[in-house]
Amino acid sequence: EAGVAQSPRYKIIEKRQSVAFWCNPISGHATLYWYQQILGQGPKLLIQFQNNGVVDDSQLPKDRFSAERLKGVDSTLKIQPAKLEDSAVYLCASSLNSGADYGYTFGSGTRLTVV
Amino acid sequence: GIQVEQSPPDLILQEGANSTLRCNFSDSVNNLQWFHQNPWGQLINLFYIPSGTKQNGRLSATTVATERYSLLYISSSQTTDSGVYFCAGARGAQKLVFGQGTRLTINP
Repeated sequence: EAGVAQSPRYKIIEKRQSVAFWCNPISGHATLYWYQQILGQGPKLLIQFQNNGVVDDSQLPKDRFSAERLKGVDSTLKIQPAKLEDSAVYLCASSLNSGADYGYTFGSGTRLTVV
Repeated sequence: GIQVEQSPPDLILQEGANSTLRCNFSDSVNNLQWFHQNPWGQLINLFYIPSGTKQNGRLSATTVATERYSLLYISSSQTTDSGVYFCAGARGAQKLVFGQGTRLTINP
């Protein structure tokens, strides 16, 4: 099966600019996750979608981050305006469903550098 | 929320050596996964192992759910095993929480 697709692979922007990342999960996977991984740390969940509904966005900085999953398939994560501390790798993952019984598959990530 | 502690934080071995990585959880989990992050940043799912023991080639994992820990064993290490190993856990449909990782370096 095809993996989780993400684009772009790399992005460099100046602070206060905006940026968007795209993710296409594995076909048939109902649950989609966006994680932020700062250098030297483990990934941290930003938002979880079940089909096109938000399940958990408790750690999403909603004043500057937004995400959508229209039609319950692919998803877009946006940052506006970006801050220096947003420099990180943004990882998208999907699983067949939410709950305890499913493993996650991650995409290759987007490495964001804010200067 | 759940706290995940991994040990050791760093491990340097010669090719051919065996290693054991440990993951402790602050609370019971029923979703536990091990990942390998390669030098290019790709996270690869190694095991989904909320309990019991699984093996895949030179890698195996054991989770003792009642004592809230999991172990990842790597035998006959190869240089391609280098990278960061993460464990992550969750309860029910709650978010998967990652540890800080163990950085493994295998020298030729």
